[in-house]
Amino acid sequence: EAGVAQSPRYKIIEKRQSVAFWCNPISGHATLYWYQQILGQGPKLLIQFQNNGVVDDSQLPKDRFSAERLKGVDSTLKIQPAKLEDSAVYLCASSMDRVSTDTQYFGPGTRLTVL
Amino acid sequence: AQSVTQLDSQVPVFEEAPVELRCNYSSSVSVYLFWYVQYPNQGLQLLLKYLSGSTLVESINGFEAEFNKSQTSFHLRKPSVHISDTAEYFCAVKDGAGKSTFGDGTTLTVKP
Repeated sequence: EAGVAQSPRYKIIEKRQSVAFWCNPISGHATLYWYQQILGQGPKLLIQFQNNGVVDDSQLPKDRFSAERLKGVDSTLKIQPAKLEDSAVYLCASSMDRVSTDTQYFGPGTRLTVL
Repeated sequence: AQSVTQLDSQVPVFEEAPVELRCNYSSSVSVYLFWYVQYPNQGLQLLLKYLSGSTLVESINGFEAEFNKSQTSFHLRKPSVHISDTAEYFCAVKDGAGKSTFGDGTTLTVKP
């Protein structure tokens, strides 16, 4: 079974530029998560999708971050414009459903450096 | 609101020694508890989880964790560690709505 795929693996941009990350969850997984992991901290949930609908985006900085999950499969997370404090690893995860007991499977992450 | 505190940011230990990684949590509702491991240059993987039933849960590679409701703790233990256990370990809680909150991680370094 293929795991969660993410691209790119690394990205370096200058502040005020835009960037987009892509995630392909495990086939059949209805729930998709985007996390931000700043160096030295644990992952922080940015947004959670159930199929193509948003379940929780309470911690997403909506003035600069946006995310979509078209057709309930792949997802894209965008930052526009980027700030220095956005430097982090962006993790995508998926689970069968949003049931709390479901296991989350994580992708390898995208490491973003904002200069 | 819920929060997770991992009490040690770094734990160095010699090979074959026992280890305990401490995790405390707070929540106003019932939660499920998880330990994830991140090996160098790899993604997060589920190590073990407590959902209900026996408060002692085990992983396939010899780790165990005990849910203590009165102390709101979920400490991770292994009686004898190997070099290959060197990794970062994250404790997490998940509420009934499926929202996860992670601790800041504990780096376990096993020395020969």
